[in-house]
Amino acid sequence: GAGVSQSPRYKVAKRGQDVALRCDPISGHVSLFWYQQALGQGPEFLTYFQNEAQLDKSGLPSDRFFAERPEGSVSTLKIQRTQQEDSAVYLCASSPLGRTDTQYFGPGTRLTVL
Amino acid sequence: AQSVTQPDIHITVSEGASLELRCNYSYGATPYLFWYVQSPGQGLQLLLKYFSGDTLVQGIKGFEAEFKRSQSSFNLRKPSVHWSDAAEYFCAVETRDDKIIFGKGTRLHILP
Repeated sequence: GAGVSQSPRYKVAKRGQDVALRCDPISGHVSLFWYQQALGQGPEFLTYFQNEAQLDKSGLPSDRFFAERPEGSVSTLKIQRTQQEDSAVYLCASSPLGRTDTQYFGPGTRLTVL
Repeated sequence: AQSVTQPDIHITVSEGASLELRCNYSYGATPYLFWYVQSPGQGLQLLLKYFSGDTLVQGIKGFEAEFKRSQSSFNLRKPSVHWSDAAEYFCAVETRDDKIIFGKGTRLHILP
């Protein structure tokens, strides 16, 4: 079956632009996670959904970051007024049930802010 | 605060040689521990995980890891590496509030 997919795979934005990153989790997976991976670093947790409910958004770095999963399946991470420090790979992961289940990661979206 | 340290940024081994990647964690209770591998252009793939029980954990692709509470370590090992093992490896710990904290990674290079 299909794994986690993310689109676009690469995004270049001018500083100040808004961007939207999409994640398609594995069908039927309840939990969905977003991570930010800066160059040379490990992934850092951004936010977590269980179905359509956003249960934890403590990792979102600022109020310019917003995530949604309105129907409990596809999720979108939106970044408003992008800044250069937002340049990173944004990873999405899904798991069948709760947070202690194995997380399956997508290939990521590489965002470059000029 | 919980943290994960991978002291080696880069490791180079010859194909067929044994491998050990180091991981130390800081956590107040028995942790959930993970090793992930990330190949270029690919997503993270779980190699193995430790929740409880036997401290020697077997994973995919011939990898294993040993949890040593006294040393706060969870080192990853493989008896004989293959060129396809060249990738970045991340150790991670799951915290009390169910967040996963990753180390900064170790990049593995394989010499032919």
